[in-house]
Amino acid sequence: AQSVSQHNHHVILSEAASLELGCNYSYGGTVNLFWYVQYPGQHLQLLLKYFSGDPLVKGIKGFEAEFIKSKFSFNLRKPSVQWSDTAEYFCAAAGGGSQGNLIFGKGTKLSVKP
Amino acid sequence: GAVVSQHPSRVICKSGTSVKIECRSLDFQATTMFWYRQFPKQSLMLMATSNEGSKATYEQGVEKDKFLINHASLTLSTLTVTSAHPEDSSFYICSASDRSRLEQYFGPGTRLTVT
Repeated sequence: AQSVSQHNHHVILSEAASLELGCNYSYGGTVNLFWYVQYPGQHLQLLLKYFSGDPLVKGIKGFEAEFIKSKFSFNLRKPSVQWSDTAEYFCAAAGGGSQGNLIFGKGTKLSVKP
Repeated sequence: GAVVSQHPSRVICKSGTSVKIECRSLDFQATTMFWYRQFPKQSLMLMATSNEGSKATYEQGVEKDKFLINHASLTLSTLTVTSAHPEDSSFYICSASDRSRLEQYFGPGTRLTVT
């Protein structure tokens, strides 16, 4: 069955710390991968996406993610977090070719201490 | 970027009544709209997908007679929760994509509380 797993439910970091949020997927065939962020009280926003090509994808606000096919992973990284990065982060997957139906992970809450 | 709005942002209704939630794409034509439900501290669960002018496709376990979806135009889809019960209380989120379906744009969500 298709699924997306996020291993960390809640991550607490101090400002300037480095961030890595894990995401693993189980999907038959070609897959498109996404990271979304949901700031408190706001709607989901796309951080970055991977369809094909360079497996290291750069997104907005200094975030990047690396697609490692052999590990079925698409981890999100940021070298130095800020207090304003406090939010919920969702990894999602969809069948290749078109976005189609997204399957979301359970989300990781990131709290950044000033 | 593309903007999707939802109305209302929050609604409280009594058990047994029906509630309609609107989802609008403000600056693009949404050929496909998606409706999700998000429980506290859980992920978004896709309820149904609707293409403009067609009947919605519901995910397994979602009652189509309870959650009525209409996508009558390229900028508007509505979700009607009929005969609402307290267990229907949740956060409902819509998203929309254009003909390319390469990206979904999410609305801000509607908090439904059924008393």
